[in-house]
Amino acid sequence: DTEVTQTPKHLVMGMTNKKSLKCEQHMGHRAMYWYKQKAKKPPELMFVYSYEKLSINESVPSRFSPECPNSSLLNLHLHALQPEDSALYLCASSQEGVGANVLTFGAGSRLTVL
Amino acid sequence: ELKVEQNPLFLSMQEGKNYTIYCNYSTTSDRLYWYRQDPGKSLESLFVLLSNGAVKQEGRLMASLDTKARLSTLHITAAVHDLSATYFCAVDPTLSGGSNYKLTFGKGTLLTVNP
Repeated sequence: DTEVTQTPKHLVMGMTNKKSLKCEQHMGHRAMYWYKQKAKKPPELMFVYSYEKLSINESVPSRFSPECPNSSLLNLHLHALQPEDSALYLCASSQEGVGANVLTFGAGSRLTVL
Repeated sequence: ELKVEQNPLFLSMQEGKNYTIYCNYSTTSDRLYWYRQDPGKSLESLFVLLSNGAVKQEGRLMASLDTKARLSTLHITAAVHDLSATYFCAVDPTLSGGSNYKLTFGKGTLLTVNP
């Protein structure tokens, strides 16, 4: 299995809703990432988990809350979002250790905040 | 702060023609990645360049890395419509031996190949 699976593919939510994005990989990768991508822009790193511990938080607002329940799963909990948070949210994973840090990206979850 | 500059940002070319996309970066690095993104889709890894002088080829695409010049190129040979996509270069600012996970992406080059 060489895939990163993200659900849902599309999500529409109001500013008062609570929702979650989910990501799963079975490649044995021990680093998992959340990126945010706005239209016609490069991906922006949000969070990195390494061996299930939060390694990087790129000063992301607390209305985004990541969780890594185990080495295969990564969640992003969403609460009280703003319309400007509408974007494509990409999950990625990579192998740990010395050498190339090639990211395998999921298909993304397209989020619309009304 | 690492800066990664791609040019051109927009490239419209005819089928059969050759062209090169450039990726300059501002700090020492020996790890550079090229990704492709189709409209509305995710990113797909194309090439990983891990040392000075590295050259990788896949089909009509060839990527190279010059760490001394802090420059990578993505050369397109005899373009076909299927190559239309956005191409990103990304730089890992750590030297070989570890990673801080923070890839810095260029702004991307939107390539359109016209018949």
